[in-house]
Amino acid sequence: DIQMTQSPSSLSASVGDRVTITCRASQSISNYLNWYQQKPGKAPKLLISAASSLQRGVPSRFIGSGSGTDFSLTISSLQPEDFATYYCQQSYSSPPWAFGQGTKVEIK
Amino acid sequence: EVQLVESGGGLVQPGGSLRLSCAASGFTFRSYDMHWVRQTTGNGLEWVSAIGTLGDPYYPDSVKGRFTISRENAKNSLYLQMNSLRVGDTAVYYCVRDGLTSGWHPWFDIWGQGTMVTVSS
Repeated sequence: DIQMTQSPSSLSASVGDRVTITCRASQSISNYLNWYQQKPGKAPKLLISAASSLQRGVPSRFIGSGSGTDFSLTISSLQPEDFATYYCQQSYSSPPWAFGQGTKVEIK
Repeated sequence: EVQLVESGGGLVQPGGSLRLSCAASGFTFRSYDMHWVRQTTGNGLEWVSAIGTLGDPYYPDSVKGRFTISRENAKNSLYLQMNSLRVGDTAVYYCVRDGLTSGWHPWFDIWGQGTMVTVSS
């Protein structure tokens, strides 16, 4: 099974900061990597599919990149509503389709 | 409005059974692969099962043989029958739509609000 490892597990940042979260797959997954945002008490929300395709309605400050085993989610200028937990998820070939363990973005 | 609404969660003893339901609305349910994803406290998100438009099911080893996913397109409904439940199955269970309409490279674009399943004696 493919394992997904995110780093860091948490970070503190200020409004306006540029923030980058990384996600590493245990084997190559091409560009089959998706990113989600989850706020407390809510279901996850899909932000980016296929490594870099922004979902409709998601602000352009969210930028996904990478291919193969290494991926990143960058928030170019952190906004108050961006404080949340972010998960990556691989969707390569057959199941199981694993998630990363999450990165919590907190206010500094 | 595209919506998924789960029901059927609750408290069950180890070894017991529970059936979750998910009512879909606002989209052509029969045209989408559907999934269940669970979230345990502290353990993040785990994909639990999937069912294709033709009814083909998929499971991870952790639930294979214990959980059964099914769908009833005429009722726009998804189900998860959970048997031989374990303490480790305690989680919020989400009904989720696969946003990719062809091939098995799922991204989960629509989520329900979740239903809590607690397995405890």
